[in-house]
Amino acid sequence: ETGVTQSPTHLIKTRGQQVTLRCSSQSGHNTVSWYQQALGQGPQFIFQYYREEENGRGNFPPRFSGLQFPNYSSELNVNALELDDSALYLCASSPDPALDQPQHFGDGTRLSIL
Amino acid sequence: GENVEQHPSTLSVQEGDSAVIKCTYSDSASNYFPWYKQELGKGPQLIIDIRSNVGEKKDQRIAVTLNKTAKHFSLHITETQPEDSAVYFCAAISNFGNEKLTFGTGTRLTIIP
Repeated sequence: ETGVTQSPTHLIKTRGQQVTLRCSSQSGHNTVSWYQQALGQGPQFIFQYYREEENGRGNFPPRFSGLQFPNYSSELNVNALELDDSALYLCASSPDPALDQPQHFGDGTRLSIL
Repeated sequence: GENVEQHPSTLSVQEGDSAVIKCTYSDSASNYFPWYKQELGKGPQLIIDIRSNVGEKKDQRIAVTLNKTAKHFSLHITETQPEDSAVYFCAAISNFGNEKLTFGTGTRLTIIP
């Protein structure tokens, strides 16, 4: 069984640029959630996608957007990057929410903004 | 919204001794409480979870207890080993269907050989 995979593992950008991060969900999982983890902090919920539709959003500005594809993989897009966007971005997948099963995380993408 | 507090922020334990990490939550509607272990350079790994209809759950050296009345839950690790050294996060979900995890701020556990 393949777990959650994220790409790239590391990325360096400058202020004002745009970035796309990618996530492949675990086999059999149709729900993907994205989290931002600042250094020394717990992960903060960005948004969740279920069957290609946004299914909940945290306290993040609209320049954070996402997509989910028919194969349930997902992208996180961030526009107009700011220094405070430097963080580890984590993707978690889970089966259909009705099954009440836990989320499983990938190893994240470390984004550094210069 | 939900708020999860976690203590202590750092914990050092002699190998073989027990470690206890405590969390409190604010939303009485929360009904699912997972614990994650995060090693350096890795994503959080689920180690144990508990639902609101259960007071205690054990898995080998790891146990979690839940007190719904007081709105707190704890992670207990017995017979600690060097490989238990990591950052541990508690989390809560107030609506399992929504699956928005609210995390605590983490506990850095160091096992002293």
